Amino acid sequence: KQEVTQIPAALSVPEGENLVLNCSFTDSAIYNLQWFRQDPGKGLTSLLLIQSSQREQTSGRLNASLDKSSGRSTLYIAASQPGDSATYLCAVRNNQGGKLIFGQGTELSVKP
Amino acid sequence: GAVVSQHPSRVICKSGTSVKIECRSLDFQATTMFWYRQFPKQSLMLMATSNEGSKATYEQGVEKDKFLINHASLTLSTLTVTSAHPEDSSFYICSAKIEYGYTFGSGTRLTVV
Repeated sequence: KQEVTQIPAALSVPEGENLVLNCSFTDSAIYNLQWFRQDPGKGLTSLLLIQSSQREQTSGRLNASLDKSSGRSTLYIAASQPGDSATYLCAVRNNQGGKLIFGQGTELSVKP
Repeated sequence: GAVVSQHPSRVICKSGTSVKIECRSLDFQATTMFWYRQFPKQSLMLMATSNEGSKATYEQGVEKDKFLINHASLTLSTLTVTSAHPEDSSFYICSAKIEYGYTFGSGTRLTVV
């Protein structure tokens, strides 16, 4: 059974810092992995999606990497801003028609 | 593109009444819709998967008669919480499968008093 874990559960950093969020999964046979952002009381916004054949994806200040063999993904945020404060969720899909399995999320707070 | 509109965003209802939550795909056809529940500070828990024109598939432990899902068209899926109780208070989010991933509604905060 696939399980997804995110560390840390919460993170507080000063503005301008670069930071890394971690996601691990127990079954390396995934179809893809997706990182989402959730603002309080809101739905999810997709940030980056990495297919199983890819090693990383980049969008602006965000970079997500995937190491299937070790069951890990990281989300790197460069030059963090207060507007980046939110909960970040990673989710894996085991096969093309499969459901998303979510981690518990990392609650990020960027202090001005 | 690929926007899912979810309504209402917040609803307060009395215990014993039913509440309907709607999710509409605005610019695409959603053949598959997923319904999630999220408790405070916790991740999303998949409740059920609905395919247009067929019965929903519920996850283990989710009461089918309590959480009625209808996916009668390619642009509309609804979740009805029947005979709601305070323990049903939660954040409900719908999601539609799109070509390379998923798109999510903005969520509904349900409070049962």
